[in-house]
This record gives sequence, C-alpha cells and structure tokens, in this order.
Amino acid sequence: EAGVAQSPRYKIIEKRQSVAFWCNPISGHATLYWYQQILGQGPKLLIQFQNNGVVDDSQLPKDRFSAERLKGVDSTLKIQPAKLEDSAVYLCASSLIGGDGNTIYFGEGSWLTVV
Amino acid sequence: DAKTTQPTSMDCAEGRAANLPCNHSTISGNEYVYWYRQIHSQGPQYIIHGLKNNETNEMASLIITEDRKSSTLILPHATLRNTAVYYCIVRVSNQAGTALIFGKGTTLSVSS
Repeated sequence: EAGVAQSPRYKIIEKRQSVAFWCNPISGHATLYWYQQILGQGPKLLIQFQNNGVVDDSQLPKDRFSAERLKGVDSTLKIQPAKLEDSAVYLCASSLIGGDGNTIYFGEGSWLTVV
Repeated sequence: DAKTTQPTSMDCAEGRAANLPCNHSTISGNEYVYWYRQIHSQGPQYIIHGLKNNETNEMASLIITEDRKSSTLILPHATLRNTAVYYCIVRVSNQAGTALIFGKGTTLSVSS
C-alpha cells in the first residue's frame, strides 16, 4: 500500500518569497492534516481537512499561510511571503474517519529553509 | 497543549529491553494512548495504541495501568535502529478524526 506522498522534499527560498508544498494522502483516507515541525520540537498541527472541508485551522497563520484540498484528495500548503521563522519541516498526514483508534500516517515531510 | 509527560531522554544498551514511561493523569475515558517514533529526517511512524488493555504487535508492547493514568512502551530487544524520539499521545477517536497533539517526546539512545 502506498504511503503519504509529499513534494518537494527539500526547498530553499529567500525571505519574502513564496513556496508551495503538495501532499497526496493514502488512497481512501478522508482526513488530511498538515503539521509544522521546527527543529528540536514536536510537530504542531496547522490545519485539518475532512474530505474538502476544513475541520480545524486555528493554528494556521492565515496572514501568510493558506491550504486547500480540492476534490477531497490532494492538498497544497502555501506560504506567502515566507519569513525566516518558517524554516521547518512540513509534514502531511492522513487517516480514515470513524472507527475505533483510527491511525494517522505521516509522509516523509518537506524541508523548508528560508534564508 | 500535550496531555502527557515523558522523560526528555533515556539510554539503553543494545539487546536489552527499553521501557519508555508516559504519564497521562488527566486522560478521559474515551481517549486512546498512542505511541509514535521519529527517526531523524523522517516523518513520525506509528508504533502502537491502546485504550484499556495491554497491546502487543511486531514492533512493541504497550502496558497501560489499571487506572489508565500512565503507560509504558516496551521495546523488547533494542537495536541501534531504535534510536529515535518517541512520542506518547492521548487522543480521542471519533468520527471527525481527531488530530494528534505532540509533546516533546523522549529521545531514546541505544548504544552497543
């Protein structure tokens, strides 16, 4: 079974530039999550989708971050304009909905360095 | 905020059992205990989860106390490849697919 796919794997941009990350969840997984992980810290939830609707985006810095999940499958996370403190790993994850203990599976992450 | 408390770091000799503790004294009756691990430069990997009963799979065993206020992840025969950050997370499982809230985890160092 294919896992969560993310791209690009690595990206270096200058501050004030824009960047976009793409995620393809595990087939059939209705729930999709984007996390931000700064070096030395645990992942922090940015946004959660169920199908193509937003469940929770309370931690998303909406002045510069945006995310969409058109057609309820793939998702993109965009940062514009980027700041130095956005340097982090951006992790996408997915899960089924419902059921007892539905497991969340993570992709390998997209590493962003803002210089 | 994370609802669990874990030691910052632990050491273990290769071949010995690694016992990673986790306190979750405010856990609710419908919250599961999940364990994930993260090896440097990779995404978190699911290990095991449980509600009340002890659980075992090919990766590890999970021991949950009767009052459910703490748990222990057991790696029976630690290898160098088990060196990673281990996260203990409590999470409600419901129709909306509740997100995982990560703490800082325990950095396990396995040495030969």
